[in-house]
Amino acid sequence: DQQVKQNSPSLSVQEGRISILNCDYTNSMFDYFLWYKKYPAEGPTFLISISSIKDKNEDGRFTVFLNKSAKHLSLHIVPSQPGDSAVYFCAASGQGAQKLVFGQGTRLTINP
Amino acid sequence: DADVTQTPRNRITKTGKRIMLECSQTKGHDRMYWYRQDPGLGLRLIYYSFDVKDINKGEISDGYSVSRQAQAKFSLSLESAIPNQTALYFCATSERYRGRRNEQFFGPGTRLTVL
Repeated sequence: DQQVKQNSPSLSVQEGRISILNCDYTNSMFDYFLWYKKYPAEGPTFLISISSIKDKNEDGRFTVFLNKSAKHLSLHIVPSQPGDSAVYFCAASGQGAQKLVFGQGTRLTINP
Repeated sequence: DADVTQTPRNRITKTGKRIMLECSQTKGHDRMYWYRQDPGLGLRLIYYSFDVKDINKGEISDGYSVSRQAQAKFSLSLESAIPNQTALYFCATSERYRGRRNEQFFGPGTRLTVL
């Protein structure tokens, strides 16, 4: 049973526009959420996170939104740049555990 | 220098062979993890270790074993490899809760092919 789901395997966005990546979760005990970015032949790297006590967290061009009632989070990238082309994973943890549950990933392509 | 290293980076082996994937870290973290990545399935946790004497199974541990030889080293073994263990394997580390909770740092991955 997939507790964290990214239903869009791929997304294509024009350079300069907004990229929106979505993630849904089913476990109401999750209280911390993270986004990771992965380039080919490299390991995932941490991008941004949000605690369930917040509904928004910003870091430069990246903003993560959390809707607890809908069990949904999204990552907004504005403006999108060619270097943002990568696979993005959302991940969740809960109850103070340091285990992460990952989604399937979304491949983002930024077109010039 | 990379903080989390994995060896080998690529490996092709045959069904039934024993294989070991190694992970070393210089970050001084207590906690280490092994994941596999498959297309359409994301990253799934195989085993994790919160310190040298603490080893725990993840969601897909069948067919795998691990050894935590030291704080800095965590090895994953496939005792008798089978083709559906063909995947990209990642090692990760994290420190005890401090600051960015649960942030894990990943190695570059090992691409394993079982024929």
